[in-house]
Amino acid sequence: GAVVSQHPSWVICKSGTSVKIECRSLDFQATTMFWYRQFPKQSLMLMATSNEGSKATYEQGVEKDKFLINHASLTLSTLTVTSAHPEDSSFYICSARDKLAGGRMETQYFGPGTRLLVL
Amino acid sequence: AQSVTQPDIHITVSEGASLELRCNYSYGATPYLFWYVQSPGQGLQLLLKYFSGDTLVQGIKGFEAEFKRSQSSFNLRKPSVHWSDAAEYFCAVGARGSTLGRLYFGRGTQLTVWP
Repeated sequence: GAVVSQHPSWVICKSGTSVKIECRSLDFQATTMFWYRQFPKQSLMLMATSNEGSKATYEQGVEKDKFLINHASLTLSTLTVTSAHPEDSSFYICSARDKLAGGRMETQYFGPGTRLLVL
Repeated sequence: AQSVTQPDIHITVSEGASLELRCNYSYGATPYLFWYVQSPGQGLQLLLKYFSGDTLVQGIKGFEAEFKRSQSSFNLRKPSVHWSDAAEYFCAVGARGSTLGRLYFGRGTQLTVWP
């Protein structure tokens, strides 16, 4: 089956630093990648949708200057948390949609997540 | 706007017992419907999905779900639960005709299985 990886799986950083999280589709090309944020014991909240080669579309309430998303290729999207603060600590999950499937929803695959802790 | 309600935050069952996790959605038409499972610290794994056709869908790990249009529900069932089924379960909906493929998730139901 299709595999999506995330790196790193967990990261601890000091307040004020920036952290980059990578999301890769390992055996397929992804037209679209999604970034979610999950707080403990809560659901996934969509942060943004990114399409290869274009700017990401952010959900209402998500600061685009704080959460920078780059989708430079069909297999890689990155989320950079700039000037991270403790309230940014969370579990970040990406998903990717298979290009060859014509963007059908059923071909959305999820990564294992990245746990961020800002001290 | 689409929304998903999972009324049970936490369910506890004994191993071997049957299971039903509830999911209700709000949407103007019949959406795409999904159930995902998440183990601690892990991403999401798709259990099953409904797009059209037979309203009873079979998934992996012995799970099934039934779409009931009149009740706007998509409840997940398993006849005999195994200890390894303990996890967080999420119901999700997606809009038909959407070119973006975004999903809306319920808050999740935590399943605990007693030996």
